[in-house]
Amino acid sequence: EIVMTQSPDSLAVSLGERATVNCESSQSILYSSKNKTYLAWYQQKGGQPPKLLIYWSSIRESGVPDRFSGSGSETDFTLTISNLQSEDVAVYYCQQYFSTPPTFGGGTKVEI
Amino acid sequence: QEQLVESGGGLVKPGGSLRLSCAASGFTFSDHYMSWIRQAPGRGLEWVSYISTTGSHSAHGDSVRGRFTISRDNTRNSVFLQMNNLRAEDTAVYYCARVISAKPVWGHGTLVTVSS
Repeated sequence: EIVMTQSPDSLAVSLGERATVNCESSQSILYSSKNKTYLAWYQQKGGQPPKLLIYWSSIRESGVPDRFSGSGSETDFTLTISNLQSEDVAVYYCQQYFSTPPTFGGGTKVEI
Repeated sequence: QEQLVESGGGLVKPGGSLRLSCAASGFTFSDHYMSWIRQAPGRGLEWVSYISTTGSHSAHGDSVRGRFTISRDNTRNSVFLQMNNLRAEDTAVYYCARVISAKPVWGHGTLVTVSS
């Protein structure tokens, strides 16, 4: 089972500033022959299901503001929220979908 | 539009049973592994079960193994979770999800509450 480790557990960022969330996988989740990295980022607000923000490590889901970006490769990944807005207050999760079972980071709470 | 819709949650007593259903639409269901993911109140996301495209292979997490069974019906584009001998610690929102080897898709979840 691939273990996903997120950091930090929580962070406070001023409005308009940048938030950075890190995620590390215990083994590579890059499928070399397809040149695809099986990493997704989600945003979850209270009482709501997880919302897909980023997939294939860096592809923004349709309708997601471009202040959200994903980067990284093989085992180390970053979600960056530029120009933080009040509506970005939420818990963020990473998830690998490279192998079974699907596994998740523990979550990062982003606050203002 | 790719969509998953869960049903079947509710209040059940400890030791009771419940069967969750998930209806898929907007994609070729039989091409994809399917999973159930749960989230207990105030907690993170926990993988519960997954099933292969044909249903020939499935697996369950340690906390539910022997009590929960996942199945699917590709003719009905549906996946199911039979939950037996439920415990208080199974209280959670249960999400049906396509989260293996493809762009993820999630349902909105169904709440299961185990309480006397």
